[in-house]
Amino acid sequence: QKEVEQDPGPLSVPEGAIVSLNCTYSNSAFQYFMWYRQYSRKGPELLMYTYSSGNKEDGRFTAQVDKSSKYISLFIRDSQPSDSATYLCAMSDQTGANNLFFGTGTRLTVIP
Amino acid sequence: DAGITQSPRHKVTETGTPVTLRCHQTENHRYMYWYRQDPGHGLRLIHYSYGVKDTDKGEVSDGYSVSRSKTEDFLLTLESATSSQTSVYFCAISPLLAGGQETQYFGPGTRLLVL
Repeated sequence: QKEVEQDPGPLSVPEGAIVSLNCTYSNSAFQYFMWYRQYSRKGPELLMYTYSSGNKEDGRFTAQVDKSSKYISLFIRDSQPSDSATYLCAMSDQTGANNLFFGTGTRLTVIP
Repeated sequence: DAGITQSPRHKVTETGTPVTLRCHQTENHRYMYWYRQDPGHGLRLIHYSYGVKDTDKGEVSDGYSVSRSKTEDFLLTLESATSSQTSVYFCAISPLLAGGQETQYFGPGTRLLVL
């Protein structure tokens, strides 16, 4: 079983829709949770970073962590065609930068 | 791309030849990483460095070596390239302040094709 599971999609939504992207994990020691966005043929770029449980909002993006269920989510409101990308979740269990575990990514297409 | 460049950006090589990829950063961050990204596997850590001349293995280090002689440069060498090493290679950096978790910032990637 992988440490981090992520539905690869692809996911297609109409412009303006609310998008929900999710990851599950098995290691209860994970405390740091990240979402990266990766455009085609580009490197991943950090989108959201949260510590422990709870919600974090940044513009149209909300990251949610439910440690009791070992489940994290990224919500995108009022989705735009420019949001079309692959979204990677990542998480870590300690203050050690070599311990970052990635999901395989979900490919999202927002249709105008 | 957070002050990170990778070279070359694309490379085609033949099985059995040595290949060196370069990562250069202008952020003066302590930690540097090499990942490979393959369909169905996501990002997998090859090697990382926590300082000049300080390196360690990651999840998929077999067939790869690294060197870091300066803070700003981290080299990845494929000793004898194989077709299974065809992949997209990403360099990442992290400040990793003492006592705190910092995330990683990625370069633009190098597409390597081994024929």
